[in-house]
Amino acid sequence: QVQLQESGPGLVEPSQTLSLTCIVSGGSISSSGYYWSWIRQHPGKGLEWIGYIYYSGNTYYNPSLKSRVTVSIDTSKNQFSLKLSSVTAADTAVYYCARDPFGYNNMDVWGQGTTVTVSS
Amino acid sequence: QSVLTQPPSVSAAPGQKVTISCSGSDSNTGNNYVSWYQQLPGTPPKLLIYENNKRPSGIPDRFSGSKSGTSATLGITGLQTGDEADYYCGSWDRDLSAGVFGGGTKLTVL
Repeated sequence: QVQLQESGPGLVEPSQTLSLTCIVSGGSISSSGYYWSWIRQHPGKGLEWIGYIYYSGNTYYNPSLKSRVTVSIDTSKNQFSLKLSSVTAADTAVYYCARDPFGYNNMDVWGQGTTVTVSS
Repeated sequence: QSVLTQPPSVSAAPGQKVTISCSGSDSNTGNNYVSWYQQLPGTPPKLLIYENNKRPSGIPDRFSGSKSGTSATLGITGLQTGDEADYYCGSWDRDLSAGVFGGGTKLTVL
């Protein structure tokens, strides 16, 4: 079955850009109908939807993060990515990638999550 | 402040039943599907319920979902100590054009 794995730096300096990649295995990221999502969870807090990209390339972002977020897809490498610019300590969180079959915040496959700390 | 409202905590004894509420508005739960997730400590969320009341393969029928108007409810019967977790509801908000979550509910099985 499909599995997701996040990768990227665990430490990012303030004002820099956070970059994470989600590698999709066990299935094609180009499969029609799927939305590839990013969600984060601040320490001890709830879930926050960041955004997603449709297999065709269309994107939707959380309005509170929209000015800083870019989600992209690389079908040749079967992976998708998150870039969050101008990070601050408030962006310290566990970042999850996930698959959403229908695009209405209904994630059926999740990565294990990766902790990103913003600090100098 | 989460867009969807859940109680911070609920508790019940083993074997009993518990319900967790999720309240939203016309722009999200009132006109879109609700999903429910279980998050055990140190693990990613797991989809329990989708499209208000459907269970993915492998989810026991002890877990159920319902929706009425702008509110949704997760029910868990035959509580087990292994059900102790955080539970989140989620939906799509048509005004925000974004996914939204509840703040989460911590279930304690006494």
